[in-house]
Amino acid sequence: DVKVTQSSRYLVKRTGEKVFLECVQDMDHENMFWYRQDPGLGLRLIYFSYDVKMKEKGDIPEGYSVSREKKERFSLILESASTNQTSMYLCASKLGDRDNSPLHFGNGTRLTVT
Amino acid sequence: QQPVQSPQAVILREGEDAVINCSSSKALYSVHWYRQKHGEAPVFLMILLKGGEQKGHEKISASFNEKKQQSSLYLTASQLSYSGTYFCGTAMEYGNKLVFGAGTILRVKS
Repeated sequence: DVKVTQSSRYLVKRTGEKVFLECVQDMDHENMFWYRQDPGLGLRLIYFSYDVKMKEKGDIPEGYSVSREKKERFSLILESASTNQTSMYLCASKLGDRDNSPLHFGNGTRLTVT
Repeated sequence: QQPVQSPQAVILREGEDAVINCSSSKALYSVHWYRQKHGEAPVFLMILLKGGEQKGHEKISASFNEKKQQSSLYLTASQLSYSGTYFCGTAMEYGNKLVFGAGTILRVKS
């Protein structure tokens, strides 16, 4: 089974801090994604990556950046955390280049910015 | 553009059936369905491609009506384990990124 591991289950940060959310997958998947989940809004795509050092903006990239230095690891960075970035963050991976294989999600990181 | 899911929430008793709909205003290539239990990761259920095929997964099946740009998820003889939030994700082209609906909360009571 594919395993997608997010380094923290819960994080509490202060406004203005730089925040790193880490995600690792163990199945050599090419594609990795960061979503944000908020009640009533579903899952919204922040950034995704098709390969090492490749990244593309999703639907809500403002205030975020990403890093993918190794195939198995995809990091989400909040350059200066703000209270409106308090949310559940989900990482996902999938096999293949632009095919229709399913997404495999991590358990999520619940971030609170105070 | 985000697909619209309906209903927003539904409560069932064990053994009852339910239908969850996912509608788009644009032509779709594929529809994905996921279920998320409380505090857990979303789990893949099935993918449907344009062509109107119907798929099944245990007592959960789905259809894709290309003309209506709508997919429906059918849950028959519901079990307590079916409780969770169901999300549809839609793609307008092959391999395109998924855009998810807001989710449908399903609760099955004994």
